Amino acid sequence: AQTVTQSQPEMSVQEAETVTLSCTYDTSENNYYLFWYKQPPSRQMILVIRQEAYKQQNATENRFSVNFQKAAKSFSLKISDSQLGDTAMYFCALGLSSNYQLIWGAGTKLIIKP
Amino acid sequence: EPEVTQTPSHQVTQMGQEVILRCVPISNHLYFYWYRQILGQKVEFLVSFYNNEISEKSEIFDDQFSVERPDGSNFTLKIRSTKLEDSAMYFCASTKTLATNEKLFFGSGTQLSVL
Repeated sequence: AQTVTQSQPEMSVQEAETVTLSCTYDTSENNYYLFWYKQPPSRQMILVIRQEAYKQQNATENRFSVNFQKAAKSFSLKISDSQLGDTAMYFCALGLSSNYQLIWGAGTKLIIKP
Repeated sequence: EPEVTQTPSHQVTQMGQEVILRCVPISNHLYFYWYRQILGQKVEFLVSFYNNEISEKSEIFDDQFSVERPDGSNFTLKIRSTKLEDSAMYFCASTKTLATNEKLFFGSGTQLSVL
């Protein structure tokens, strides 16, 4: 069975600081992909970044980057130069290559303080 | 950017009543999903739908639930006899293919409250 664990229920940093959110997962599949989704107070689910398991290079999207450690089954999200608008719940999710039956972590509430 | 549209944004119903949650996926998408998120809990997969039939469903998706694509644009989730524990945010999502570079688009959700 697949699982996703986010061990930090809540984090808070000052604006402009860098913050790293942790995620570990477990799967016996070889082909999978990993996501970070942001859920602001509006509760819409917004894709932040994705990583294919077969790619060694860590994905980056502007201020967002991941540290993908396949052997350790770790997929952390780094947010650089954090902004007030980054305040949200962040969910890590695991998807298998055959479908989008995503398995979700419990989420980390990130608060960016002015 | 194209959007998945869900209506209504909020739905309040009495226990035992039937509800239909509506979604309009992006027009050229072929794979459709429903997820739910009970307040304070993890997002849970309910069902996936392709080529007019269910392709995968979770244990949550029991006989009380059904999905339908009645007219080629709408994708609905019906709960026949709602229970208190069905109260949750329900998200619809769609994607064009299952290729690994495809993006899964989510709607804004329908908050269902069962009283």
